[in-house]
Amino acid sequence: DADVTQTPRNRITKTGKRIMLECSQTKGHDRMYWYRQDPGLGLRLIYYSFDVKDINKGEISDGYSVSRQAQAKFSLSLESAIPNQTALYFCATSDMGQGKTQYFGPGTRLLVL
Amino acid sequence: AQTVTQSQPEMSVQEAETVTLSCTYDTSENNYYLFWYKQPPSRQMILVIRQEAYKQQNATENRFSVNFQKAAKSFSLKISDSQLGDTAMYFCAFTPLNNAGNMLTFGGGTRLMVKP
Repeated sequence: DADVTQTPRNRITKTGKRIMLECSQTKGHDRMYWYRQDPGLGLRLIYYSFDVKDINKGEISDGYSVSRQAQAKFSLSLESAIPNQTALYFCATSDMGQGKTQYFGPGTRLLVL
Repeated sequence: AQTVTQSQPEMSVQEAETVTLSCTYDTSENNYYLFWYKQPPSRQMILVIRQEAYKQQNATENRFSVNFQKAAKSFSLKISDSQLGDTAMYFCAFTPLNNAGNMLTFGGGTRLMVKP
């Protein structure tokens, strides 16, 4: 089984709808992240969390919120989706050690109509 | 703030040949980590190689090696004996050593096509 899983893998929604993307990990890592990927821009950080009680905004947090329900679960919500939030979304985890390597989930492709 | 630049949006190489992907970065930090990630058509992000800035020796992982030039802030990836399965997007990424959150700054990516 994959160490970092994301659901759903693909999602189509309409402008104004609220949606949630979920991420779970079995790696036992304390740090979790949400990134979005747009063509030509690489991955940009939306939110990150050190642990259940510590959540921080990243580079592009406007229009997004997150919830760290447990060490293993980190959800990303779009409160009112808009078309320019159409992107590929990745969840990642890391530990304090392991040379700061981040391990990524398979991604969620989101289309906002 | 750190920035990472990949100046080659697309590259191609013949199977079995060698190709080098470029990456430059800008930082005032002295100690940091650099990474190359591969994203095949399956879109999974896969770690290819990691380099610690305090290590002078260039990292190597099988057919993948880096040319790390700290003074020039350059971190290129060399793929030897290219294989069809190397076709993918390649992303260079950076994180400072003192970054407790381990957040990565990514370049815009290079799309590599390996031709038979």
